[in-house]
Amino acid sequence: EVQLVESGGGLVQPGRSLKLSCAASGFTFSNYYMAWVRQAPTKGLEWVASITNSGGSTYYRDSVKGRFTISRDNAKSTLYLQMDSLRSEDTATYYCTRDQTGSAFDYWGQGVMVTVSS
Amino acid sequence: DIQMTQSPASLSASLGETVTIECRASEDIYNGLAWYQQKPGKSPQLLIYNANSLHTGVPSRFSGSGSGTQYSLKINSLQSEDVASYFCQQYYNYWTFGGGTKLELK
Repeated sequence: EVQLVESGGGLVQPGRSLKLSCAASGFTFSNYYMAWVRQAPTKGLEWVASITNSGGSTYYRDSVKGRFTISRDNAKSTLYLQMDSLRSEDTATYYCTRDQTGSAFDYWGQGVMVTVSS
Repeated sequence: DIQMTQSPASLSASLGETVTIECRASEDIYNGLAWYQQKPGKSPQLLIYNANSLHTGVPSRFSGSGSGTQYSLKINSLQSEDVASYFCQQYYNYWTFGGGTKLELK
C-alpha cells in the first residue's frame, strides 16, 4: 500500500524557515517524480514544486522560486521541502504527492499545516 | 503560464442525477489533464488522468472527456458519497489546477 506521511509543519514567524519531510513507503521511491502541493484555508489547490526521480531536476512556481528548495533522499525514501523567508501568504496545508512521472499526482499524503504569523 | 478555468464554481444536484463539470485551458494541453476529488477534511484523490483514463479503484460512474482546450468530468447516477470538491489539473506544461467545483446535494 502506498503511504506518504508528512511532518515538520507548525507555526512560524514571517521571515523564518521551516523544513517539511515526507516519508514514503509501499513503492519504489526512486522510480517516481515527487511534488508538493499546497492549499490555503478554504482555497483551491496550488502546485508548489516538483523533483525528478533522480533529484537531478527541480521545478518551482514563481512565487516560491529562490525561497523554497525541494530535495529527496532516495536511500531513505524521503522527500523534503526547505522553506525560507516565509510569508503570510505561504500559510497552507502542504501535501506530498507522487507524480506518475511528469503527469498526474496519483497518491497524496494527509497533509501538514504551515502557519506563518507573528 | 497555462491558466485553467473551471465551471461551475458550485453545483447542487439530486441523487441519481448526471453531473458535468467543465474545465478550459488557456492553450492546447494535448490531453494532459487530470481530475481530482476532495472530500471535506480529506486529501485530494486522483479520479481521471490523460483526460479520459480512470485511476485504479475509481467507480465507473466517473468519466472524463475532451481535447485541445476543453475538458469535462461527468458523474453518472450521483451518489451521496460524491459530495466533494472537484479540481482539474493540467500537466502538459508544468502543473496548474483549476479553481475547483463544490458539489452539494439538492
